[in-house]
Amino acid sequence: QVQLQQSGPGLVKPSQTLSLTCAISGDTVSSRRAAWNWIRLSPSRGLEWLGRTYQRSKWYNDYAASVKSRITINPDTSKNQFSLQLNSVTPEDTAVYYCARKEGEKEAFDIWGQGTVVTVSS
Amino acid sequence: DIQMTQSPSSLSASVGDRVTITCRASQDIDNSLAWYQQKPGKPPKLLLYKTSRLQSGVPSRFSGSGSGTDYTLTIASLQPEDFATYHCQQYYSTPPTFGRGTKLEIK
Repeated sequence: QVQLQQSGPGLVKPSQTLSLTCAISGDTVSSRRAAWNWIRLSPSRGLEWLGRTYQRSKWYNDYAASVKSRITINPDTSKNQFSLQLNSVTPEDTAVYYCARKEGEKEAFDIWGQGTVVTVSS
Repeated sequence: DIQMTQSPSSLSASVGDRVTITCRASQDIDNSLAWYQQKPGKPPKLLLYKTSRLQSGVPSRFSGSGSGTDYTLTIASLQPEDFATYHCQQYYSTPPTFGRGTKLEIK
């Protein structure tokens, strides 16, 4: 049974960096059949895909245009997890953040982390 | 980016009712559509993918149909546990995009 367990702070100050980690059990971050994503939910934007990391012949990353200049998603094969860093946050980045797996055959997000409520406030 | 327009934004219904939620894409997405159910304080749960394929463990009262730009989620006979918010999502092209959700409430 695949599970994703998120960790990270729930409060970040404006202009600082939001950092979250998603630990994987029951699958591997290096799987050639999966992609590992970060998605957020806010009242103003609804569900918004932020980006993903995945391995095929090499490691790839894709990012949403809205955050591309501020985001980094990194795999950590030694700990079987992946991380999100979002720099220079503003109150508009306040949201519930989810990690999620996209499995190759289904192409949809079939496994989700529990969610982390992140508030950007001084 | 492909825009997903979901309707209605909210819906009141009773246990046993048949309900339909629609999602329209801004371009042809070739059946690359998923539906999710989300309850308060929980992550979204995948219900259907590829328009009409039921995710393992999802009750058969949930069904999906559509093609091109227009898609529907139907719940054949509402159960108390079905009152939640439903989201559609296209994965035809990157970035994947979601509808704004339909909140299904008890009448």
